[in-house]
Amino acid sequence: DVVMTQSPLSLPVTLGQPASISCRSSQSLVDSNGNTCFHWFQQRPGQSPRRLIYRVSNRDSGVPDRFSGSGSGTDFTLKISRVEAEDVGVYYCMQCTHWPPITFGQGTRLEIK
Amino acid sequence: VQLVESGGGLVQPGGSLRLSCAVSGYTFSNNAMTWVRQAPGKGLEWVATILLDGTRKFYVGSVKDRFFISRDNSKNTLFLQMNTLRAEDTAIYYCVTGHWLDYWGQGTLVTVSS
Repeated sequence: DVVMTQSPLSLPVTLGQPASISCRSSQSLVDSNGNTCFHWFQQRPGQSPRRLIYRVSNRDSGVPDRFSGSGSGTDFTLKISRVEAEDVGVYYCMQCTHWPPITFGQGTRLEIK
Repeated sequence: VQLVESGGGLVQPGGSLRLSCAVSGYTFSNNAMTWVRQAPGKGLEWVATILLDGTRKFYVGSVKDRFFISRDNSKNTLFLQMNTLRAEDTAIYYCVTGHWLDYWGQGTLVTVSS
């Protein structure tokens, strides 16, 4: 199974400052067709998760452009250009290239300093 | 897109529950469907996925031969039959579209305890 490792696990950020979350996979997420099945999710307190970024760098509908995803192979990054109060929550990376099983990272808790 | 789960509750170890998920505003019959769970205070865990025609099903190892995913494309409904439940199955169970996990329901809480 592919292991997804996120860092940091806790991320205190000042409002208006940037934030960055890293996710590393135990093997390359590029499939035989050159595609990468890797997504980012946000879970606000008391809410269901929602997908933010799909296929590494594509924002889902309604996701503010302060969120961006990048990376390739085994190393991926979610960046928030300027953190707002509504960004508080837990962020998860996920891979579906080598499935089953689909696997998630442990989650990174973003909080406001 | 709306996904509404039901069927959760309190069950004793060794018992069974059947979860349902009614889906609307989505081309249900043309897409895979997935269950994901989240134990209290923990992260997300993929449980099972069923492909669009229901012929192929995939499970996480810890639930194989105990949980069974199914679907009724005529009613846009997804199911999860959970048997021989254990304390470690206690979690919120989310119904999710596709295996890219596009849209999530609000979840239904399953508590396994005596």
